Amino acid sequence: KNEVEQSPQNLTAQEGEFITINCSYSVGISALHWLQQHPGGGIVSLFMLSSGKKKHGRLIATINIQEKHSSLHITASHPRDSAVYICAVGRSGGGADGLTFGKGTHLIIQP
Amino acid sequence: EAQVTQNPRYLITVTGKKLTVTCSQNMNHEYMSWYRQDPGLGLRQIYYSMNVEVTDKGDVPEGYKVSRKEKRNFPLILESPSPNQTSLYFCASSPSWGEQTDTQYFGPGTRLTVL
Repeated sequence: KNEVEQSPQNLTAQEGEFITINCSYSVGISALHWLQQHPGGGIVSLFMLSSGKKKHGRLIATINIQEKHSSLHITASHPRDSAVYICAVGRSGGGADGLTFGKGTHLIIQP
Repeated sequence: EAQVTQNPRYLITVTGKKLTVTCSQNMNHEYMSWYRQDPGLGLRQIYYSMNVEVTDKGDVPEGYKVSRKEKRNFPLILESPSPNQTSLYFCASSPSWGEQTDTQYFGPGTRLTVL
């Protein structure tokens, strides 16, 4: 079983729809990251969370530490939001173990 | 401009020919890391460095070497590349590594093909 699971793997939606991408993890973490990878390949860090909720523009990220679950929401989705969204966790518990990544959610927003 | 740079961006080579992919950051970050990305497997960590002269293995270190002689540079060395190292490689950096893991800044990626 992967330590970080994302769902759905693929998501196609219409412009304007509310989008939710989920991430579940099975290890203790120090923080959780949401990343965005556009078709050109570049990776951008969207959020880093260790508790609660963060908002940036139309993007909202939440995390529930007890349930080991995080969600990324996109409000009023737009075709430019089409990308792969990747969840990554920084493992906790002594030393710096780096990041473990989910396999990503491929999002397509159709006009 | 704050950035992480990688060179080369694209490389086609042959099995066994040593190569180095350079990574440099201009943000005075302590933490640097290398990842590879493969279809169906996602991103996986190869090596990371918490600071100068401090490096450690990630999840897939076999066949790779790194060094951190200066804070800004973190080269990835493939002593004897093999076709299974054909991949998209990303370097990343962050200000530090501690209880609160800092935002990672990614380089543009290096697409490596080993024939």
